Amino acid sequence: NAGVTQTPKFQVLKTGQSMTLQCAQDMNHNSMYWYRQDPGMGLRLIYYSASEGTTDKGEVPNGYNVSRLNKREFSLRLESAAPSQTSVYFCASSQPSQPPNTGELFFGEGSRLTVL
Amino acid sequence: GDSVTQMEGPVTLSEEAFLTINCTYTATGYPSLFWYVQYPGEGLQLLLKATKADDKGSNKGFEATYRKETTSFHLEKGSVQVSDSAVYFCAQGGKLIFGQGTELSVKP
Repeated sequence: NAGVTQTPKFQVLKTGQSMTLQCAQDMNHNSMYWYRQDPGMGLRLIYYSASEGTTDKGEVPNGYNVSRLNKREFSLRLESAAPSQTSVYFCASSQPSQPPNTGELFFGEGSRLTVL
Repeated sequence: GDSVTQMEGPVTLSEEAFLTINCTYTATGYPSLFWYVQYPGEGLQLLLKATKADDKGSNKGFEATYRKETTSFHLEKGSVQVSDSAVYFCAQGGKLIFGQGTELSVKP
């Protein structure tokens, strides 16, 4: 069972370079998310997509763009990487729940990005 | 705004010790509450959840009770094992607002 798959797992960039993190889920979930994890700060939501064709900003969207390519795939793009974007990035997916907001998020294994 | 606060780590315990990790939240309503666990090198996975006041979530010997009056959701386990060593995250809500995480290390 693949679940949520992220690529690449590791990446080193120079300041100003661009890159895209890829995420795919095979659970037919409607909602997908991108988080970043930094020491002492837990996980912070960057962007989310409640359903195919929609995206919304989370807590820390500056410097990022996203694309919900189809129901399975949700990519995160850094157009001009900065050292402050050094972090571990997690993609997650979920299915709408009843009652609302009670459902589980399924996470990928993470992508460790270093910006020099 | 809505938030989640966890006790600071790291927490180091001996095997079979009792574990408590404190978690409090602020919210405008009554959100669902979650504990996620992250083992080394892995993503987060759901440990337990509670969807309304006084609910108790439990899994793998861990328990947490949704306390509306104290806005808390403390994680407990009666006897920890080395395999419980991980980072534990408390979270609330639908898109999930996370606490900062508490690293637990259990020594044999």
